[in-house]
Amino acid sequence: AQSVTQLDSHVSVSEGTPVLLRCNYSSSYSPSLFWYVQHPNKGLQLLLKYTSAATLVKGINGFEAEFKKSETSFHLTKPSAHMSDAAEYFCVVITSGTYKYIFGTGTRLKVLA
Amino acid sequence: DTEVTQTPKHLVMGMTNKKSLKCEQHMGHRAMYWYKQKAKKPPELMFVYSYEKLSINESVPSRFSPECPNSSLLNLHLHALQPEDSALYLCASSQDGRRETQYFGPGTRLLVL
Repeated sequence: AQSVTQLDSHVSVSEGTPVLLRCNYSSSYSPSLFWYVQHPNKGLQLLLKYTSAATLVKGINGFEAEFKKSETSFHLTKPSAHMSDAAEYFCVVITSGTYKYIFGTGTRLKVLA
Repeated sequence: DTEVTQTPKHLVMGMTNKKSLKCEQHMGHRAMYWYKQKAKKPPELMFVYSYEKLSINESVPSRFSPECPNSSLLNLHLHALQPEDSALYLCASSQDGRRETQYFGPGTRLLVL
């Protein structure tokens, strides 16, 4: 069965410092993986996706993620945090032949001034 | 354009009311989704429509009734809801469903009194 684990429920960083949000997945098949961001009382916005092309995926707003099959990981990074990055982040896996997104439990990112 | 629109933004209803949520997309997507999201939790899938036919119902109570009048429009009819149904209801769409990126609307914040 497919699953995704977000290793940190909360992450705090100072503005201008790097961001690392961790995600591990479990899948029997070659997965598609996504990161979404959700600001308070808003919908989910796609940051980036991995669909078996390049293992380093660049997304919007300076975010990127690296697919590491050997570690079953898809961690999200950003070199320099901005106050506007404070939000909830969801890692999602979807596998072959299904419509269903499997969501991680989310990581709340706090950015300190 | 990757926009999914939802109306209304906010809805307050009593337990005996009947109301509807509306979702619209003009991206030519053929799969549309309803999710329910409680505070501090990831979205939970409720229904999936593919090519205007209901393809997934995640054992949702019958007080929630989805409808897909055409390929651009998705409704969720609400009747005799309970206070625990208060949540953010998110609509999403994707190109044709399987393993495709889902694009989310901003959601309708529902409060049941």
